[in-house]
Amino acid sequence: DAKTTQPTSMDCAEGRAANLPCNHSTISGNEYVYWYRQIHSQGPQYIIHGLKNNETNEMASLIITEDRKSSTLILPHATLRDTAVYYCIVPPGYSGGGADGLTFGKGTHLIIQP
Amino acid sequence: GAGVSQSPSNKVTEKGKDVELRCDPISGHTALYWYRQSLGQGLEFLIYFQGNSAPDKSGLPSDRFSAERTGGSVSTLTIQRTQQEDSAVYLCASSPRLLESSGANVLTFGAGSRLTVL
Repeated sequence: DAKTTQPTSMDCAEGRAANLPCNHSTISGNEYVYWYRQIHSQGPQYIIHGLKNNETNEMASLIITEDRKSSTLILPHATLRDTAVYYCIVPPGYSGGGADGLTFGKGTHLIIQP
Repeated sequence: GAGVSQSPSNKVTEKGKDVELRCDPISGHTALYWYRQSLGQGLEFLIYFQGNSAPDKSGLPSDRFSAERTGGSVSTLTIQRTQQEDSAVYLCASSPRLLESSGANVLTFGAGSRLTVL
C-alpha cells in the first residue's frame, strides 16, 4: 500500500494558488517527499521533492510540516494546463524497506476552473 | 538516451498470446522500475531493478508476469498467456541512484506501452 494519503479531487480557479495536501505520518527521518503529476495519457512528470526544509522551484513550492508528517504542494498561479493528477510519494530511504512506498496510489485530481 | 523510451507504444493482442514490452532507460541510470496503470486507476508498482538484479518481485500480479534486465540497461516485461484484465498502460521509469542510496532520487518516466487484450 502507498505510504501517503491524498484527497481524491480538488478544484481551483485559474490564476489562484492551488494547495494540494498530503499526509505521510509514517515517514522516516531519511525519507524524502516527492511530488509528481500526470497529465492525461502521458507518463508522470517530476515536480519537486524535499526532506525537511521548504523547497521552491520554477514549477511549485513544497511546504513540509515541522514533524514531517504532512506536506503541501503549492502551485502559485494555477493555469488550465495544470489540470492533472498529482501524486505524493515517499520512497524508502537508505535504511531499507524494500519497494514499499513506490506505489503512487490514485493521487489528487486537480481541476483548474476557468 | 535523452529520455526513457518504451516500445511498443501500443499493442493489441488476443487473449492467450504472450507479449513483450521493452524499456530503454536513460543512459547511466542504475535503477529501473515497472508500473501498471489500469483505466482510471493509480500507478500500481510491479517491480524494480538495481542494476540487473530485482530484489523484490512481490509486486508482480501473477506468475504469468516476468521481467529481466541485461547489461544494466534495457529491460523487458513479459506477460504470458495474456488475459483481458492485463489490459492497461505499462509504464517504465529510471533513476540515477540505487533505491536504497542516501539522498534524493528522482524517477523519470517513459510515455508507456498501452496493452489491449481482446
